[in-house]
Amino acid sequence: GAVVSQHPSWVICKSGTSVKIECRSLDFQATTMFWYRQFPKQSLMLMATSNEGSKATYEQGVEKDKFLINHASLTLSTLTVTSAHPEDSSFYICSARKGLAKNIQYFGAGTRLSVL
Amino acid sequence: GENVEQHPSTLSVQEGDSAVIKCTYSDSASNYFPWYKQELGKRPQLIIDIRSNVGEKKDQRIAVTLNKTAKHFSLHITETQPEDSAVYFCAASTDTGRRALTFGSGTRLQVQP
Repeated sequence: GAVVSQHPSWVICKSGTSVKIECRSLDFQATTMFWYRQFPKQSLMLMATSNEGSKATYEQGVEKDKFLINHASLTLSTLTVTSAHPEDSSFYICSARKGLAKNIQYFGAGTRLSVL
Repeated sequence: GENVEQHPSTLSVQEGDSAVIKCTYSDSASNYFPWYKQELGKRPQLIIDIRSNVGEKKDQRIAVTLNKTAKHFSLHITETQPEDSAVYFCAASTDTGRRALTFGSGTRLQVQP
């Protein structure tokens, strides 16, 4: 199988604090990981593409200084929401791509972030 | 970049009926088209995918068709069951390279018992 673990599943924080979300591929090496944001009853919007050992590629309109992405190993990528504000409240989901031959992506369970 | 449009946004069917969801894409370079099912508050789960070298793929009650010329692909669910109720997303990308999936806007399917 291909399992992607994402933690935490739910976090509540005060405005101005930073929150780190982890995405791990448990039984495979992920050449690429992706971070998505999903608002209620809406689709998944790509925030950034994360390749192991290199800087993340951010989508237009996503602030790279606010959403810090680190992909330190082939099994771990982290998203840090810095100085979170209520408008950052959302459902954040990561996905991991297994290998380069086929673009099959496996999703984490998501993190619901609520900023008070 | 790629743009994926999905219709309808909501779909209600009676148990046992068929459901069809349609998507169009814009980038002729796209050659990989997966479909995901997402239940409320859960992760998207890949249910079926198709590559551009085939026109149709079937897996039990689920089938996907692809028309490369028209740049559209469809999901067909036959003999629907209440547990099929969920949000379904189509997506498009390329198989090689490191391109992300571009998702459609989603279809909320409700199967009435």
